[in-house]
Amino acid sequence: DQQVKQNSPSLSVQEGRISILNCDYTNSMFDYFLWYKKYPAEGPTFLISISSIKDKNEDGRFTVFLNKSAKHLSLHIVPSQPGDSAVYFCAASADGSARQLTFGSGTQLTVLP
Amino acid sequence: NAGVTQTPKFRVLKTGQSMTLLCAQDMNHEYMYWYRQDPGMGLRLIHYSVGEGTTAKGEVPDGYNVSRLKKQNFLLGLESAAPSQTSVYFCASSNLRARLHTEAFFGQGTRLTVV
Repeated sequence: DQQVKQNSPSLSVQEGRISILNCDYTNSMFDYFLWYKKYPAEGPTFLISISSIKDKNEDGRFTVFLNKSAKHLSLHIVPSQPGDSAVYFCAASADGSARQLTFGSGTQLTVLP
Repeated sequence: NAGVTQTPKFRVLKTGQSMTLLCAQDMNHEYMYWYRQDPGMGLRLIHYSVGEGTTAKGEVPDGYNVSRLKKQNFLLGLESAAPSQTSVYFCASSNLRARLHTEAFFGQGTRLTVV
């Protein structure tokens, strides 16, 4: 039973447009959420995070939105660039830390030039 | 600054063979983790360590053993490899003493094939 779900295995977006990646979770104890980006043959790299006391966190072109009542978070990338093409993983934690992260299955984002 | 380094990057094992994956971090992090990544399943936690000399089971620990004899190193062992252990293995570390809401830093991964 996956507690963190990314229901879209892939997403294609035109360069310059907005990319929206979605993530749903079932465990109401999760209180800290992270997004990681992964290029082929590399390890995941941290992108942005949000704690449950917030509903939005912004870092440059990347914004994460959290809707606790719907148990849903999304990552917005504006504007999308070809270098953003990667697999994006959503991860969640129940103790505000990176100690036991539960990952989603990932979404392959392709930004078309 | 190397960050998290995994050795080896690739390995092919025969069923029943044993091997050890090495993870080294130079960030003085307390916590270290081993994950496996399989298609369509994201990353799943195998074992983790909250400090030198301590280890704990994660979500999928069966068939693996770990040791943390030194703070900077975290070893993952397969005593008798099975084809179901074919996967990409990632080591990660994080610093939790300084503050909450920290992220984990990952190594580049080890692709293991068991035939």
